[in-house]
Formats: sequence, structure tokens, C-alpha cells
Amino acid sequence: KQEVTQIPAALSVPEGENLVLNCSFTDSAIYNLQWFRQDPGKGLTSLLLIQSSQREQTSGRLNASLDKSSGRSTLYIAASQPGDSATYLCAVRRVEGANSKLTFGKGITLSVRP
Amino acid sequence: EAGVAQSPRYKIIEKRQSVAFWCNPISGHATLYWYQQILGQGPKLLIQFQNNGVVDDSQLPKDRFSAERLKGVDSTLKIQPAKLEDSAVYLCASSLSWMAEAFFGQGTRLTVV
Repeated sequence: KQEVTQIPAALSVPEGENLVLNCSFTDSAIYNLQWFRQDPGKGLTSLLLIQSSQREQTSGRLNASLDKSSGRSTLYIAASQPGDSATYLCAVRRVEGANSKLTFGKGITLSVRP
Repeated sequence: EAGVAQSPRYKIIEKRQSVAFWCNPISGHATLYWYQQILGQGPKLLIQFQNNGVVDDSQLPKDRFSAERLKGVDSTLKIQPAKLEDSAVYLCASSLSWMAEAFFGQGTRLTVV
């Protein structure tokens, strides 16, 4: 059974800091990994998708890396802003027969202080 | 491109009542998911459809929860009767296929009192 862990559960940083959010998973046989952002009371917004054959993906100030063999992914946020305050979730997709399953971590709640 | 639409946004019901949620996925997306997110937790998959067929409902409490996706487009999730522990956000998501990027709706926040 795939388990996804995100530690710490919460993080507070001053504005302008570069930061790294970690995600680990127990089963390295994944198809892809997706990072999401969730604002309070809202749904999930997809940030980045990394296929299992890729090492990293970039979008603006965000960079996600994947080390499948060690079961780890990181989300790097450059020059953090108060608007980046949200919960960040990672989810791994594993193929199961003729289907796939997307399993989520509990998320990291980020607070960027002005 | 329109995103995943869900309604209602909020619902408050008493325990033992029934409730239904509606989801309209992104046009052309074959795969539709319903997730339950309890406060402080990550989303948990309840049911996954491929077109109008169920491919995974292993974590759906079938004694009280049901879902359908008629004609392979819109979907409804029903709870009958509701329990206090069903209080959560119910998220609908869709993707082009079972291996593609998933896009989520705004969710329905259910409070059972």
C-alpha cells in the first residue's frame, strides 16, 4: 500500500526566503507525481506534474524534483511571497492493473510573513 | 477552458438525513474521481470512474454512499443516511485518462450536525 508523507505539517517563513517542501513515498513504482496548492475553503489547484521518467519540472518560481529510487520529491519555491501562503499537497500515481490510483499526503501548510 | 464544476458549495444537514452532490467534469475527460477530505487530512479516494464504469470503489462506504456517472459525463455522489463523521469536503476531479494530470473542482463542504 502506497503511503505519502509530508513533513513538517506547517512552516512559517519571512517574505523573500527560498524554501523547500518535502514529500516522501513508500512505493517507488510510481507513474507520476503531482504537486497541488489548496487555499482555505477551496479546491486543489494543480501546480506541477512530473512523470516518473523525469527528474524535474519548472513553472515560474516553482521547481519540483523527483528521485523515484529514493522515494522523494521536493517543491522549491523561490523568493517566497505572502500570496504563496496555502497548503501544498503532493500526490503520487501508481498503476494498478488496468487502472491507476492517486494517493495524497496530508499537506504542508505554508505561511509567508510580510 | 471551463474547469470542474461542483454544487452545492456548502451543505449543512442533520444526521440520518440524505444529501447529494453534483459534479460536471472538464469536457472530454474520461476519468472522474470523488475524494473525501477531512479537516487536516489529505484527500482520500472514494470512487473513480472511467467513462461511465466504476474502476475503483474500494474505499467507498457502500452501506451509505453511492455514486453514478450516467452517460459518462456528469456525476452525483449521495450519502444516505449521513453520520457526524461524514463532515468533510467532497472533491470532484477529472482527467483526460487514468494516467493524465488531475484537475479538481472547488469542493462541497458538508457539515453534519
